[in-house]
Amino acid sequence: EPEVTQTPSHQVTQMGQEVILRCVPISNHLYFYWYRQILGQKVEFLVSFYNNEISEKSEIFDDQFSVERPDGSNFTLKIRSTKLEDSAMYFCASRPGQANYGYTFGSGTRLTVV
Amino acid sequence: GENVEQHPSTLSVQEGDSAVIKCTYSDSASNYFPWYKQELGKRPQLIIDIRSNVGEKKDQRIAVTLNKTAKHFSLHITETQPEDSAVYFCAALNTGFQKLVFGTGTRLLVSP
Repeated sequence: EPEVTQTPSHQVTQMGQEVILRCVPISNHLYFYWYRQILGQKVEFLVSFYNNEISEKSEIFDDQFSVERPDGSNFTLKIRSTKLEDSAMYFCASRPGQANYGYTFGSGTRLTVV
Repeated sequence: GENVEQHPSTLSVQEGDSAVIKCTYSDSASNYFPWYKQELGKRPQLIIDIRSNVGEKKDQRIAVTLNKTAKHFSLHITETQPEDSAVYFCAALNTGFQKLVFGTGTRLLVSP
């Protein structure tokens, strides 16, 4: 069964540092997403990406965040200057197309900001 | 925007009992309602979903019901087993906006 792949599985970074979280969505999927989950809390939407541009973003997704699909296979989330409160599990997800709503989530990257 | 409420936050049952988790949503335009099971430190795994043109869907021990008028949907697990223990999240999708909005989660504990 096709999978969404995320790397690294765990990243520890110093406050103020930049981090890039990487995702490889399923190859024929058209919609891509980043979600985050602070420990013990619900899964929160960050951003959706379609046709090489952001289609929607939440209020969490401020100027410190950016996404890219640099080469047609990878989908990255960059946090420019990490804060302690950015510590969370970050999930990438993809889905096939307009009429298929089924999301496939990656296994997540646990980001710890110290 | 969409808001999804989920109850209860924790649910303890004995093996073999049934478990019911309920969600309400606010946006009447939402039309897709998945349920996810999340084990500790793992990704959310889709277990069942329902679209707004259907009132009920069943898959073995799991069923979901949807009341569009009341904007309620529920997950029903029958003959619970210890391996059903996990956190369950409901979610709603307004396909016009494409994003899933998750509920706050229910920690289900099934005791042998």
